[in-house]
Amino acid sequence: EIVLTQSPATLSLSPGERATLSCRASQSVGTYLAWYQQKPGQAPRLLIYDASKGATGIPARFSGSGSGTDFTLTISSLEPEDFAVYYCQQRNTWPPGWTFGQGTKVEI
Amino acid sequence: QVQLQESGPGLVKPSGTLSLTCAVSGGSISSINWWSWVRQPPGKGLEWIGEIYHSGSTNYSPSLKSRVTISIDKSKNHFSLNMSSVTAADTAVYYCARVGYGSGWTKMDVWGKGTTVTVSS
Repeated sequence: EIVLTQSPATLSLSPGERATLSCRASQSVGTYLAWYQQKPGQAPRLLIYDASKGATGIPARFSGSGSGTDFTLTISSLEPEDFAVYYCQQRNTWPPGWTFGQGTKVEI
Repeated sequence: QVQLQESGPGLVKPSGTLSLTCAVSGGSISSINWWSWVRQPPGKGLEWIGEIYHSGSTNYSPSLKSRVTISIDKSKNHFSLNMSSVTAADTAVYYCARVGYGSGWTKMDVWGKGTTVTVSS
């Protein structure tokens, strides 16, 4: 089973700064990687899928890159509403299923 | 657009069975999608539980497979989760989600708001 490791665990930044979040897979996942945002008391929200494709309605300041084992979520200029926890996720081929990273908290 | 809503008891006794339903509105559960369950223990990360295809095929997390059954009811446009022999470790917020097709089945693009289940006597 593929393991996803996110870093850092916590990212302390100010509004307007650039955020760079990392997700590393224990073996290649091609570009089959998604990113989610979760705010307290809310369900996760899909931001990026297939490593770099923006989900519907997601602001352009969110972008994803990478392939194989190393992936990055970038928030170009943090807005107050972007302070949240971010998870990466991939679909396993075998056994079929899903794996999440442990999350990165972006805090003020 | 498609919306999902979880429902079920908020309190389950240890060794009992947890039963949740996810109602699909704004679309058909018979559409070509996988439908998934994810949970989140208090203060922790996301854990995938299992999924069901519109045809009824299922996949389960290896760590939960022995205790979990996911089913689909097309007449009611909902799918369900049953988890047996629950313990306090199963206390969590339970989410249902739709799996969408990108370059493959690679995204959970619609989520329910979640329902809190506490396992306690």
